[in-house]
Amino acid sequence: SQQGEEDPQALSIQEGENATMNCSYKTSINNLQWYRQNSGRGLVHLILIRSNEREKHSGRLRVTLDTSKKSSSLLITASRAADTASYFCATAAGTYKYIFGTGTRLKVLA
Amino acid sequence: GAVVSQHPSWVICKSGTSVKIECRSLDFQATTMFWYRQFPKQSLMLMATSNEGSKATYEQGVEKDKFLINHASLTLSTLTVTSAHPEDSSFYICSASPPTGGRGGETQYFGPGTRLLVL
Repeated sequence: SQQGEEDPQALSIQEGENATMNCSYKTSINNLQWYRQNSGRGLVHLILIRSNEREKHSGRLRVTLDTSKKSSSLLITASRAADTASYFCATAAGTYKYIFGTGTRLKVLA
Repeated sequence: GAVVSQHPSWVICKSGTSVKIECRSLDFQATTMFWYRQFPKQSLMLMATSNEGSKATYEQGVEKDKFLINHASLTLSTLTVTSAHPEDSSFYICSASPPTGGRGGETQYFGPGTRLLVL
């Protein structure tokens, strides 16, 4: 399977703590994106990082990319209860066909 | 901007019937749309790439005669699940990308999904 792996599969933290989730993939990529999905809903795009970039920030989100290790991480700082959701990474190689990772279910406790 | 809608949001049907799901890009034109399937607590699996004015490209293991895709215009793609069976019950999500210069297609905007339950 070309599907990427994410870890942890599930993460439970207290409000205010930071949440880190990791994504590993198998093939060379053009870019990697992170998405959030609230239960039973569609996906919301969070951030895109290109293969020639190492780190990007957007608000409380920080994404890193290590192409040599074929891995990426998403850090959510000062988490809030509203951040409770599933988070997926998606990779694209050559075309705009994206392969999604297995996802991390984040639960932020108030 | 960049809103994608899906209709219906959920549908229940009897085994053996066909169900059509619409995916619309509301404020942009999309030459390419994608259809995904998601089982509970699992990731999205790409089913097919829908190309305006041409045949869809199906992923390995996806039956093209079972899941009919029609991309009739730059703002509408439809997925028809033919002769649905209980194992087709799933969450179906479409996405579309607005062409933006040389990097058209990088960011996909997802519809809210359609939950299908086949009895």
